[in-house]
Amino acid sequence: NAGVTQTPKFQVLKTGQSMTLQCAQDMNHNSMYWYRQDPGMGLRLIYYSASEGTTDKGEVPNGYNVSRLNKREFSLRLESAAPSQTSVYFCASSVYSGLIYEQYFGPGTRLTVT
Amino acid sequence: TQLLEQSPQFLSIQEGENLTVYCNSSSVFSSLQWYRQEPGEGPVLLVTVVTGGEVKKLKRLTFQFGDARKDSSLHITAAQPGDTGLYLCAGAGGNKLVFGAGTILRVKS
Repeated sequence: NAGVTQTPKFQVLKTGQSMTLQCAQDMNHNSMYWYRQDPGMGLRLIYYSASEGTTDKGEVPNGYNVSRLNKREFSLRLESAAPSQTSVYFCASSVYSGLIYEQYFGPGTRLTVT
Repeated sequence: TQLLEQSPQFLSIQEGENLTVYCNSSSVFSSLQWYRQEPGEGPVLLVTVVTGGEVKKLKRLTFQFGDARKDSSLHITAAQPGDTGLYLCAGAGGNKLVFGAGTILRVKS
């Protein structure tokens, strides 16, 4: 049981290049999320998918697209990378237990855009 | 927009000292979660508090949810170097979380 896995772990892009960040979970969770983490700003939600086949914008969606490929996989795509997208990106999945959703995070992808 | 403010932003203490981290908002949350994050890793859930006034203990960590469900605190007794990390609070609204900016805790031996 690997939990939430993310690839790649590190990436350097030049401005204007594109790339896809991959995320997979093996916990049979319905909901999945993409966050970015910047110093002093906590985690900000980019996109989320409440269930297979649905996606919704979060707080900072501009410049990103997502695909919920199946129940296990949720990818994040940068079509034309910008230096402002330099950040650490975390994928998470969540399970509903009683009244609450508990989120489980992957190890992160450290992206630098030059 | 729901906002969560954490204080202090940074805390550096000696091993054995006690400390409290605060998480405040003007919004009401259905539940509030605390996460701990170590360098190079993703956040790990420590606890979820749901009921106003609720207190939960996890070994040397005590978590409290305010009566009005707008604020929370994390108290660590006799801090140890292994407690070093980034502590994040997160308020739940449906199946989404709103995170505070975090408190960086450094415990020196």
